[in-house]
Amino acid sequence: DTGVSQDPRHKITKRGQNVTFRCDPISEHNRLYWYRQTLGQGPEFLTYFQNEAQLEKSRLLSDRFSAERPKGSFSTLEIQRTEQGDSAMYLCASSKGGPRGTDTQYFGPGTRLTVL
Amino acid sequence: ELKVEQNPLFLSMQEGKNYTIYCNYSTTSDRLYWYRQDPGKSLESLFVLLSNGAVKQEGRLMASLDTKARLSTLHITAAVHDLSATYFCAVEGGHTNAGKSTFGDGTTLTVKP
Repeated sequence: DTGVSQDPRHKITKRGQNVTFRCDPISEHNRLYWYRQTLGQGPEFLTYFQNEAQLEKSRLLSDRFSAERPKGSFSTLEIQRTEQGDSAMYLCASSKGGPRGTDTQYFGPGTRLTVL
Repeated sequence: ELKVEQNPLFLSMQEGKNYTIYCNYSTTSDRLYWYRQDPGKSLESLFVLLSNGAVKQEGRLMASLDTKARLSTLHITAAVHDLSATYFCAVEGGHTNAGKSTFGDGTTLTVKP
């Protein structure tokens, strides 16, 4: 068990470019979550998957954001036409899921995005 | 819309002292989580609280949940420098929002010798 991994760890891009981040959850975890965190704030929920199904998506997520989890394994988060306001740390987490368990979320190290 | 408020946002403590961080939330919730985040690092899960009256302890930290008051506390006993970090509470919505966690803004704790 190597924990949740994210790639890249840092990304600098110019405004208007598209970026894609990858998250590899802990194996056998069927839930996967994406959050965004800006300096001095708590993580902000973006979306979550149960296996390959995207079950919840924040209304804060504009049409420029899309996430996928093909085959219920790794996930990608794409941001199209990046804006300076997209600069943040993008965190991925995974959990075992299940109806009434503790369902602890394990967070990855994050991808820090800087939009110039 | 679920709102989560933590207080204080900043806390400076002397080593050996006790203090409590408060987390209030606005609507019924199934689960409440406490996390720790060190500067430049990701989040580490500390506690998951599932029911009214739940109390969990790990070392110098103890978390409790009062679902009727929609309040959770994180109590620090005899603080040590290693506890310096930012602590977040997060609340998971009801059945219709299962999986969606709403975080507070965090409490940045600094423990001074």
